Amino acid sequence: GENVEQHPSTLSVQEGDSAVIKCTYSDSASNYFPWYKQELGKRPQLIIDIRSNVGEKKDQRIAVTLNKTAKHFSLHITETQPEDSAVYFCAASMDNNDMRFGAGTRLTVKP
Amino acid sequence: SAVISQKPSRDICQRGTSLTIQCQVDSQVTMMFWYRQQPGQSLTLIATANQGSEATYESGFVIDKFPISRPNLTFSTLTVSNMSPEDSSIYLCSAGTSGSNEQFFGPGTRLTVL
Repeated sequence: GENVEQHPSTLSVQEGDSAVIKCTYSDSASNYFPWYKQELGKRPQLIIDIRSNVGEKKDQRIAVTLNKTAKHFSLHITETQPEDSAVYFCAASMDNNDMRFGAGTRLTVKP
Repeated sequence: SAVISQKPSRDICQRGTSLTIQCQVDSQVTMMFWYRQQPGQSLTLIATANQGSEATYESGFVIDKFPISRPNLTFSTLTVSNMSPEDSSIYLCSAGTSGSNEQFFGPGTRLTVL
């Protein structure tokens, strides 16, 4: 089955700096790669996703890149703000089935 | 995106008892899933709730322990049976449509077993 690894487990940046979180997956059949943000005590919120026919996707300060050959994808947050502080999860699935999550990255943005 | 609600939001239960968690979606969705998230951990898929047929369970999860119902396209229940303290966790349902890939989560049910 699919195995998703996520690094780093914790990340601390200064406000205004960029943050990068990386994930690798094992199943080449996976074709959908979402990123979720989870604030303390809240539900995971979908913030951006990418499908395997696309190499990069951007939404304001957030971007995701996908390298299918290497089976890895990354989340990039630019101009970080304190409200970006949360736990971020990557995930991989094939056609919305059997979604597997990474272990999570706790991002802290220091004002 | 679909709006998803869960009941109860939290509960404290005695070992050996069972708890049924309800998940309601505000629109018809194709896919519904149940996840477990232990404190400080990631999300683990328990099962896919299939409408009108038995749920599809992931490795390590069995129907006798986690029976699931999905009587229609907007509602599902997860029962945690014969609970032990190890079942203390947050249980989340999610929903999506087969044409979209996106999954949206309910607020979760925080379960504590004494």
